[in-house]
Amino acid sequence: DVKVTQSSRYLVKRTGEKVFLECVQDMDHENMFWYRQDPGLGLRLIYFSYDVKMKEKGDIPEGYSVSREKKERFSLILESASTNQTSMYLCASSLGYALGFNYGYTFGSGTRLTVV
Amino acid sequence: KNEVEQSPQNLTAQEGEFITINCSYSVGISALHWLQQHPGGGIVSLFMLSSGKKKHGRLIATINIQEKHSSLHITASHPRDSAVYICAVRKLGNLIFGKGTKLSVKP
Repeated sequence: DVKVTQSSRYLVKRTGEKVFLECVQDMDHENMFWYRQDPGLGLRLIYFSYDVKMKEKGDIPEGYSVSREKKERFSLILESASTNQTSMYLCASSLGYALGFNYGYTFGSGTRLTVV
Repeated sequence: KNEVEQSPQNLTAQEGEFITINCSYSVGISALHWLQQHPGGGIVSLFMLSSGKKKHGRLIATINIQEKHSSLHITASHPRDSAVYICAVRKLGNLIFGKGTKLSVKP
């Protein structure tokens, strides 16, 4: 069964801490995505990556960075956690995009991060 | 205005009822996804479609490209269908999400 695994289900961190959220996929997918989900706002794209060492900003990259050193792993980093980063974080992956051909997405189970 | 609009935001139904959730979008897309999110957070992909209609069990998804509209239907609804249903459109390589429809099916 294909999987996207997020390392933590629940996480509580203190303001100012550096936080790492890890995501691993076992499907050899090129694309990986980090979203955050907030009530009333839906899912919003933070960063995505189309290949190893490649990263692109999404809609809300401020306060975040990412790392993709290996194809299967995409890490989201909160350089200095703040209370407004309390949210549900979801990772997803898909095959590479080819014009005119659509691939499905596979999502992880999410990490609920609370910053106190 | 959001590029993807869903209606209704909340829906309560009795077990056995036929349910329809609607999604309208305003951008050019290559595909539309229907996703299901249960309490606890994990998201499951139900359908990906770019034309016509797809059926899986009691779930049916339709899309009208000209009208930029899609519907998700659930026949003979059951309490285990209670979840948030999210419409997302694929624009180039990325997804744009609706805010979701929270469905509660009462026994």
